[in-house]
Amino acid sequence: NAGVMQNPRHLVRRRGQEARLRCSPMKGHSHVYWYRQLPEEGLKFMVYLQKENIIDESGMPKERFSAEFPKEGPSILRIQQVVRGDSAAYFCASSPRGLAGADSYEQYFGPGTRLTVT
Amino acid sequence: SQQGEEDPQALSIQEGENATMNCSYKTSINNLQWYRQNSGRGLVHLILIRSNEREKHSGRLRVTLDTSKKSSSLLITASRAADTASYFCATVRSEKLVFGKGTKLTVNP
Repeated sequence: NAGVMQNPRHLVRRRGQEARLRCSPMKGHSHVYWYRQLPEEGLKFMVYLQKENIIDESGMPKERFSAEFPKEGPSILRIQQVVRGDSAAYFCASSPRGLAGADSYEQYFGPGTRLTVT
Repeated sequence: SQQGEEDPQALSIQEGENATMNCSYKTSINNLQWYRQNSGRGLVHLILIRSNEREKHSGRLRVTLDTSKKSSSLLITASRAADTASYFCATVRSEKLVFGKGTKLTVNP
């Protein structure tokens, strides 16, 4: 059972270009979460998606960032017109169900995509 | 604002010693989770403790939870060089995990 897969692992973009980050959740998981980590910091929530639906995007900047999780295929985090401040590690996590409730399940994290904007 | 705040921010110990990391949080929780992150890697789930539990063990890990103080501790016994990593506590808020800034643990051989 393959874990959460992310690609590319490393991505270099010039300012103004677009970055596309992909995440394939674990088999059977329909909940996907994206987090951003700056150096020496913890992970910050960006967006929570279920198949074809955005459940919570409260952590995602209103401009230039978008996310989708189509019926078929991986979840995509898209950053348009990247700036140097977008340089960070972006992690995707998946879970078989939502996190609410006392018996909530942990999330399974991918290895991350390290975005460098030059 | 951060839900979880770990301390210390950095901890350096010798192999064989025990390592204790603490986490404080602000709001009520259903559970608290600890994760490990090796340098340049993703997070690995270590242990989940529910709000009605006070202590939980998993191998060399021992987690305590004090809901009256809104705090948790992670103890790693008989540490090994391979335990060198950053450790994060996380709580659930509105269907998402909220992480602290982590404790960077270095275990010297």
